[in-house]
Amino acid sequence: ETGVTQSPTHLIKTRGQQVTLRCSSQSGHNTVSWYQQALGQGPQFIFQYYREEENGRGNFPPRFSGLQFPNYSSELNVNALELDDSALYLCASSWTKQFFGPGTRLTVL
Amino acid sequence: KNQVEQSPQSLIILEGKNCTLQCNYTVSPFSNLRWYKQDTGRGPVSLTIMTFSENTKSNGRYTATLDADTKQSSLHITASQLSDSASYICVVSGPDMRFGAGTRLTVKP
Repeated sequence: ETGVTQSPTHLIKTRGQQVTLRCSSQSGHNTVSWYQQALGQGPQFIFQYYREEENGRGNFPPRFSGLQFPNYSSELNVNALELDDSALYLCASSWTKQFFGPGTRLTVL
Repeated sequence: KNQVEQSPQSLIILEGKNCTLQCNYTVSPFSNLRWYKQDTGRGPVSLTIMTFSENTKSNGRYTATLDADTKQSSLHITASQLSDSASYICVVSGPDMRFGAGTRLTVKP
């Protein structure tokens, strides 16, 4: 067990909709990172939050946004969903040692 | 261009056999290199982490090596088991974290 949980496990949306994915990590892990993993590919870095502020971002458009809360939980929001957004979305807490959550499988139809 | 290249892309071996997975990187400056095991549809689980000064690290039947001069790493799995079937991802930390695409290992009885 990594102590990182994500919800929901699976999600189906249609193109143009908006989605919110959630991540809960261990107390004291004040850094959270989000990744997008397409089928058969390695994870791609979306962004990282440290103490509730974004402090790093990968090559993803602004319709990918996030929040981190004082209780170390985090959200990933994606607006105007596109078919290519279908992927496994992973969150990972801490930094020197990353603990990954089980992921949320998003399917966009 | 991905700065972390893994080979082979996929591998099938018989239970009980050994295998070696390769990771070459161009990430610079280099901070550390990690190997993760990822079951299908799940989050990655850390196997080993090595810094610049370490050239080998073991975790049970998994042994990782690192040659920081040639920027190469390998993950050796001994006496493979059916449960070793998974994707193995190499992650190199430098200015940021770079993920390889992974090697898909299938262990057959």
